[in-house]
Amino acid sequence: ELKVEQNPLFLSMQEGKNYTIYCNYSTTSDRLYWYRQDPGKSLESLFVLLSNGAVKQEGRLMASLDTKARLSTLHITAAVHDLSATYFCAVDPLYGGATNKLIFGTGTLLAVQP
Amino acid sequence: NAGVTQTPKFRILKIGQSMTLQCTQDMNHNYMYWYRQDPGMGLKLIYYSVGAGITDKGEVPNGYNVSRSTTEDFPLRLELAAPSQTSVYFCASSYLGTEFNQPQHFGDGTRLSIL
Repeated sequence: ELKVEQNPLFLSMQEGKNYTIYCNYSTTSDRLYWYRQDPGKSLESLFVLLSNGAVKQEGRLMASLDTKARLSTLHITAAVHDLSATYFCAVDPLYGGATNKLIFGTGTLLAVQP
Repeated sequence: NAGVTQTPKFRILKIGQSMTLQCTQDMNHNYMYWYRQDPGMGLKLIYYSVGAGITDKGEVPNGYNVSRSTTEDFPLRLELAAPSQTSVYFCASSYLGTEFNQPQHFGDGTRLSIL
């Protein structure tokens, strides 16, 4: 059974600082997704990572995937208040294909303080 | 485009009542999904569909039923509501093809309380 763990679960950081959120998963997969959720809102897709070594960047966020280590990271550069949200990683449990039956992590609540 | 539309947005049910959560998408996506999100947790897959007439169970299907008679619609049915089904329910859709994989697009959610 695939398990997806994120850490930290809660992150309070100051504006302008850098930090990394980690997503570990327990079985082989080469498809990983990052989503953002604002309080009381729906989920917004941030990144789709489809192979080992994949790196995607959008603004102050950069995501990477290491399928051998079963690890994805979401790096935040020079945080701003607007990045405050809950971030989820989600893993497709099929290696070399896709089921789209995603297993979600428990999320990382990010609070960026002025 | 409206994307994924869910109705209702909020609902309070009594134990034992039944209801249907509606979901429709206008993106011509072949895959559709129902998730539940409990407070402070990630999403768990209830049911999914790979196309009209085809559905299958996810991680937590007990107490729910689905149908997919059209590409656009994927309703979720609760037959005998129980307090453990108090949650936020999200419908999502995606296109799964042979050469690329797109993210799932989510609706705004239905907040359901069972008392």
